[in-house]
Amino acid sequence: GDSVTQMEGPVTLSEEAFLTINCTYTATGYPSLFWYVQYPGEGLQLLLKATKADDKGSNKGFEATYRKETTSFHLEKGSVQVSDSAVYFCALSIKNDMRFGAGTRLTVKP
Amino acid sequence: NAGVTQTPKFQVLKTGQSMTLQCAQDMNHNSMYWYRQDPGMGLRLIYYSASEGTTDKGEVPNGYNVSRLNKREFSLRLESAAPSQTSVYFCASSEQGQGWDNEQFFGPGTRLTVL
Repeated sequence: GDSVTQMEGPVTLSEEAFLTINCTYTATGYPSLFWYVQYPGEGLQLLLKATKADDKGSNKGFEATYRKETTSFHLEKGSVQVSDSAVYFCALSIKNDMRFGAGTRLTVKP
Repeated sequence: NAGVTQTPKFQVLKTGQSMTLQCAQDMNHNSMYWYRQDPGMGLRLIYYSASEGTTDKGEVPNGYNVSRLNKREFSLRLESAAPSQTSVYFCASSEQGQGWDNEQFFGPGTRLTVL
């Protein structure tokens, strides 16, 4: 079935480090892909999305490119801040279904 | 504009008890969703309602029922709670769109423990 696999955490980085969180997917059709972020004690918030191959989603310095050939949607940020500490979820939507990865906890230290 | 609200925030039940989780949104969205979040498993879709008057099963519907009371409200009921239903439950809403491309807006969650 359709699924998302993302890099296990936790990930700990120093402020201003480069961030990559890997995400790959399996789908029978052509899904839309998302990154959601969850801050402590809150619900998820959409960070960025891409709805077709080669699309790049970007927001708040984060970027991810929909790669159909490698079935991937890796999240990157060039310089993380302490305020980026959160859990990041990769997700796909296809037909009437939504599938999330297990989440990757990021901690950024000053 | 409160967004998506959920009640209660926390609940402890004994095995076999019943309860209803409430969800409301004030964004005039057509579609609403219930998810559960378990450690190491991400979020899994329990039920969704594409529009007022319709509900459909998601990935893990067993042991749950839902009611789309009106456009604003979508409740989740556990008729006979089991320890396996210990989880954090999230309600979400979105504009109805092509496929499920639209952003989903999430509530703060309900942490449920079943003893």
